[in-house]
Amino acid sequence: GAGVSQSPRYKVAKRGQDVALRCDPISGHVSLFWYQQALGQGPEFLTYFQNEAQLDKSGLPSDRFFAERPEGSVSTLKIQRTQQEDSAVYLCASSLTRGSSYNSPLHFGNGTRLTVT
Amino acid sequence: KNEVEQSPQNLTAQEGEFITINCSYSVGISALHWLQQHPGGGIVSLFMLSSGKKKHGRLIATINIQEKHSSLHITASHPRDSAVYICAASYSGGGADGLTFGKGTHLIIQP
Repeated sequence: GAGVSQSPRYKVAKRGQDVALRCDPISGHVSLFWYQQALGQGPEFLTYFQNEAQLDKSGLPSDRFFAERPEGSVSTLKIQRTQQEDSAVYLCASSLTRGSSYNSPLHFGNGTRLTVT
Repeated sequence: KNEVEQSPQNLTAQEGEFITINCSYSVGISALHWLQQHPGGGIVSLFMLSSGKKKHGRLIATINIQEKHSSLHITASHPRDSAVYICAASYSGGGADGLTFGKGTHLIIQP
């Protein structure tokens, strides 16, 4: 498969647990984005990587959220001490070049649906 | 704050009808994206445009830069077109280089 792959597809966590969500972007894609999508809402930006550098993390809602992309390919979004308001679909997207420029469309994964009980 | 507004939020139509979904944005953009999201979460990019009009099969996307408005049209709609259609704007200048998304239009095409 040449698309963006996310795992797990579904995750149920008890409040207070830590979770780790994985994103495998398309091989060679420079840019990687994480988005959070609450039920019935459009996705909201969380953070952006250009290769291994996290250039923008302004969308992370709290210091319980942490993302990394240590080798510039696979990325992990970690949420510590999960809360019920963290329940959402977490989407990953990648693009070939920097940002979401006109000549470089975004390719989305299917998302991870996180439910915190 | 850069904002993207979509209308309608929900749309139910009969098979064969011509569908129009509208999107307005607040400030200058570098590109406007139309995305399709099926139940289960996967998002597919339909169009990315910065001016004029694009067509792919029964789908047409237009953008009016002066009016800061874009439309997605579906001709001869079919039940398989049922999905959430999301408009998203790439804003030029500083920041994330990511997208600002609308809340989506939930389209149901009834047979």
